[in-house]
Amino acid sequence: LQLRESGSGLVKPSQALSLTCTVSGDSMNSGGYSWSWIRQSPGKGLEWIGYIYHSGSTYYRPSLRGRVTISVDRSKNQFSLILHSLTAADTAVYFCARGPYCAGDCDALDVWGQGTLVTVSS
Amino acid sequence: DIVMTQTPLSLSVTPGQAASISCQSSQSLLHTDGKTYFSWYLQKAGQSPQLLFDDVSRRFSGVPDRFSASGSGTDFTLKISRVETEDVGVYYCMQAVQFPLTFGQGTRLEIK
Repeated sequence: LQLRESGSGLVKPSQALSLTCTVSGDSMNSGGYSWSWIRQSPGKGLEWIGYIYHSGSTYYRPSLRGRVTISVDRSKNQFSLILHSLTAADTAVYFCARGPYCAGDCDALDVWGQGTLVTVSS
Repeated sequence: DIVMTQTPLSLSVTPGQAASISCQSSQSLLHTDGKTYFSWYLQKAGQSPQLLFDDVSRRFSGVPDRFSASGSGTDFTLKISRVETEDVGVYYCMQAVQFPLTFGQGTRLEIK
């Protein structure tokens, strides 16, 4: 299984970022997994943004709620992140990952994409 | 939010020596379903994090057996019995028992 992020690398303040995670090697429909977005500001730690579950339900970090949308396109085996009203504080490497939940015994992010840098600057 | 506190934040280890990292959560990670939702990750320089252990102590595929993990409730430990140069990086713990998921600050392991 492999995940790969793609999307906007340089975004102006107040605009929105749009990222897509393409899943290859297995169908997103198998295993009942949730699919997460995580970000890492330069030189900082990891911050979980939210996930979309196999059922289509979503959960977002409360501090980002209202600005963030995660959606899935199962026909393309992709899930996406949109984050609105960007500021410099949103500059980070954005990762997609499988998990942490599934239909079985799961509690971790077991497969990660390589990450993509999004810079918010005018 | 559940706060995950790692100690130490950095450690320098001679190859072949042991290393230990602790992670303490501000609330119990034991869910009412009986499962403890806790995992460890290693992020090597320029790479994405990689899962080391889930379910507190279940070693992920490909993780060398010199790594071990243990813990319960609010206190968890990652141990490396004999550190090798390839173990260099930042180690993170994560909880998934309550939203939002949260990570520890990270512990940087370097080789002396």
